[in-house]
Amino acid sequence: GAVVSQHPSWVICKSGTSVKIECRSLDFQATTMFWYRQFPKQSLMLMATSNEGSKATYEQGVEKDKFLINHASLTLSTLTVTSAHPEDSSFYICSATLQGLDNSPLHFGNGTRLTVT
Amino acid sequence: DAKTTQPNSMESNEEEPVHLPCNHSTISGTDYIHWYRQLPSQGPEYVIHGLTSNVNNRMASLAIAEDRKSSTLILHRATLRDAAVYYCILSGGYKYIFGTGTRLKVLA
Repeated sequence: GAVVSQHPSWVICKSGTSVKIECRSLDFQATTMFWYRQFPKQSLMLMATSNEGSKATYEQGVEKDKFLINHASLTLSTLTVTSAHPEDSSFYICSATLQGLDNSPLHFGNGTRLTVT
Repeated sequence: DAKTTQPNSMESNEEEPVHLPCNHSTISGTDYIHWYRQLPSQGPEYVIHGLTSNVNNRMASLAIAEDRKSSTLILHRATLRDAAVYYCILSGGYKYIFGTGTRLKVLA
């Protein structure tokens, strides 16, 4: 149980275009989802916390107009990288908790490798 | 946000126990201690979590110090498949902040 599906697993796009990444909780309802990015040989960096039906909370230094997050249902959150540039190339990972509780484990998607050319 | 400190890397021989330490001296009373591990090019995988008491599951054991300022993840018999980066994080305020983690190398 508690499977999180992330799609696509990898994407290559041209500079200036936008890319949408989907994160779905397959067998549970996720009121809270988290988006992370990870550069090679580095740890995961929290970008934003997404709550169903409300605006996402972005971490300091993350541009909300560039990384659009939508959490329209209890099983789906999307991250759109707008006007992507080569420096946005990274590994993006979503995760979800059961009912958004502090003591609930995080369940992660398998990540999306974004390459901007 | 409470931070965690872990050694950058550790090595273990296959079939031997591994003790991965984590310091979290600024932990608050309501923070849970979580452990995750990550294989290359994959999302992290949940390992174990706890609040005050030691915890056991099929993957590992979690030993939490009495003052909760440190914890240890115990892999009872390391296998080659346990080679990964292990992250100790604290959950508090609905945030899960990852530290640098410990890269575990398992020697055959």
